Amino acid sequence: DIQMTQSPASLSVSVGETVTITCRASENIYSNLAWYQQKQGKSPQLLVYAATNLADGVPSRFSGSGSGTQYSLKINSLQSEDFGSYYCQHFWGTPWTFGGGTKLEIK
Amino acid sequence: QVQLQQPGAELVKPGASVKLSCKASGYTFTSYWMHWVKLRPGQGFEWIGEINPSNGGTNYNEKFKRKATLTVDKSSSTAYMQLSSLTSEDSAVYYCTIPYGNSYFDYWGQGTTLTVSS
Repeated sequence: DIQMTQSPASLSVSVGETVTITCRASENIYSNLAWYQQKQGKSPQLLVYAATNLADGVPSRFSGSGSGTQYSLKINSLQSEDFGSYYCQHFWGTPWTFGGGTKLEIK
Repeated sequence: QVQLQQPGAELVKPGASVKLSCKASGYTFTSYWMHWVKLRPGQGFEWIGEINPSNGGTNYNEKFKRKATLTVDKSSSTAYMQLSSLTSEDSAVYYCTIPYGNSYFDYWGQGTTLTVSS
């Protein structure tokens, strides 16, 4: 199975700041990567697919980058509604696996 | 609009089985594979498997092959996941999800919280 290592596990930031979350795959996943946001008690919401494409309705302050085994999710000018947990997931061969998550908290 | 409706909670005893449901609406049920995902606090997400509603074909995560059985009822556009020989390790939130717009999981059910307890 492909292992997805996500960092950091948690982050305490202020509104207006910029954050970057990274995800490293144990082998090349050829940009077959998604990022999700999850709020407490809610379902995950797709943010980015195919490593760099924003899902419908996702604000442009979110962006995805990377290739091969290294990927990042960047959030510019954090808003209060951006706090929650973020997960990466690869789609390169089953079983599809997820990163351990990053919990974004208000400082 | 696409909707995946799941019951909010299930409480079952250890050793028992449970059948979780996911009722789809707003799209052609047989056109998209239905996936199931497990979320345990502190354990992260795990992909359980997928089923093709058109012909019932399935693919499972090897880890869940002896635990989960995926089925569908095309007449009611409902997908099911049966979990057997339940233990506390099976207590989790279970989501159904489909790759609708772009081959990624862009629609999710609300999740069913399964509690295994005597």
